[in-house]
Amino acid sequence: GAVVSQHPSRVICKSGTSVKIECRSLDFQATTMFWYRQFPKKSLMLMATSNEGSKATYEQGVEKDKFLINHASLTLSTLTVTSAHPEDSSFYICSASQGYSNQPQHFGDGTRLSIL
Amino acid sequence: AQKITQTQPGMFVQEKEAVTLDCTYDTSDPSYGLFWYKQPSSGEMIFLIYQGSYDQQNATEGRYSLNFQKARKSANLVISASQLGDSAMYFCAMRELIGTASKLTFGTGTRLQVTL
Repeated sequence: GAVVSQHPSRVICKSGTSVKIECRSLDFQATTMFWYRQFPKKSLMLMATSNEGSKATYEQGVEKDKFLINHASLTLSTLTVTSAHPEDSSFYICSASQGYSNQPQHFGDGTRLSIL
Repeated sequence: AQKITQTQPGMFVQEKEAVTLDCTYDTSDPSYGLFWYKQPSSGEMIFLIYQGSYDQQNATEGRYSLNFQKARKSANLVISASQLGDSAMYFCAMRELIGTASKLTFGTGTRLQVTL
């Protein structure tokens, strides 16, 4: 089945640091990737839709300058949390879509980000 | 606007028994898709089963089946012969189309605990 790789799986860093998370589709081309944030014991909240070769589409309330998304190729999207603060600590998970209709989104294993 | 409702925050089931996890949805789109994902404590999102709005038959995948009642706008997940490894969070999600990409809206989830 389709595989999505997300790296790193866990990050612990100091406040003020910028953190980059990578999401790769390993065996298919993904024109669209999605970035979600999940708080403990809560559901996944879509942050943004990442489109290859164009600007990401952010959901309402998500700071574009805080969460930079780059989708430079059909197999790679990156999320950079800029100048991270403790309130940015969360579980971030990406997914990739092979296309339309009944194709499920395939998820990476997530990144647990802890800002000290 | 779309909405996914999972009214059971937690469920218990005895090993080898069947369990039903509830999901209702609200949409005005005639074409939509419903997905169930499993999220173990390790965090990854595992695709379980899909039901399209035009599918005539209820979806089945091994021990998973989807009780799709279109008129009631419900898409309950049935897990037969529960196993200890089924203990996890379960999310119902509905697909929204953005161009040719699928945007998923998730319910709040149900935590299933399988007991001996």
